[in-house]
Amino acid sequence: ETGVTQTPRHLVMGMTNKKSLKCEQHLGHNAMYWYKQSAKKPLELMFVYSLEERVENNSVPSRFSPECPNSSHLFLHLHTLQPEDSALYLCASSQEGRAYEAFFGQGTRLTVV
Amino acid sequence: GIQVEQSPPDLILQEGANSTLRCNFSDSVNNLQWFHQNPWGQLINLFYIPSGTKQNGRLSATTVATERYSLLYISSSQTTDSGVYFCAVVETSGSRLTFGEGTQLTVNP
Repeated sequence: ETGVTQTPRHLVMGMTNKKSLKCEQHLGHNAMYWYKQSAKKPLELMFVYSLEERVENNSVPSRFSPECPNSSHLFLHLHTLQPEDSALYLCASSQEGRAYEAFFGQGTRLTVV
Repeated sequence: GIQVEQSPPDLILQEGANSTLRCNFSDSVNNLQWFHQNPWGQLINLFYIPSGTKQNGRLSATTVATERYSLLYISSSQTTDSGVYFCAVVETSGSRLTFGEGTQLTVNP
């Protein structure tokens, strides 16, 4: 148990569906992150929220829409995805700063059909 | 940005063997973490080790920041050690984790 919980663990969705991934952290951190891990590729940072404000968006397509209503919760809203968006999506949290230690959730394995 | 290289990319061991995984990075860092990704995808924190040496049971890690590398030692390996081991760093001039490509470890009974 890392203190970061993601739901659902698995998700299969059609290209016309709308779904959301949820992340919750119980560590008192003030920064939260979405990462994407595709097969045979390193983890790619998608979004960063610090103190509930989006501070980084690494050229992610608009079909991915993050939301951070408070410092403990992070969502990733998905709509009109493509099959190549199938991947493991990981949420992480940390204290904002240069020498933080990050903790990750269990991940959501997404399949787009 | 900083480059993180891990070696070897794949490693197959018999249960009980020892191993050393290496992480080289191209610039100075103020954060280095080792993670184990289990078969279900979860990243488990092993060590937060920007410098020095730490031990936790059968695992230990050493980071020599001045020479820009870190080593992860696994002793008396078990089948449950199988998975991907990632090194991730935050460069001194940055604030985000950059991951290496990982070492895929398979421990056979």
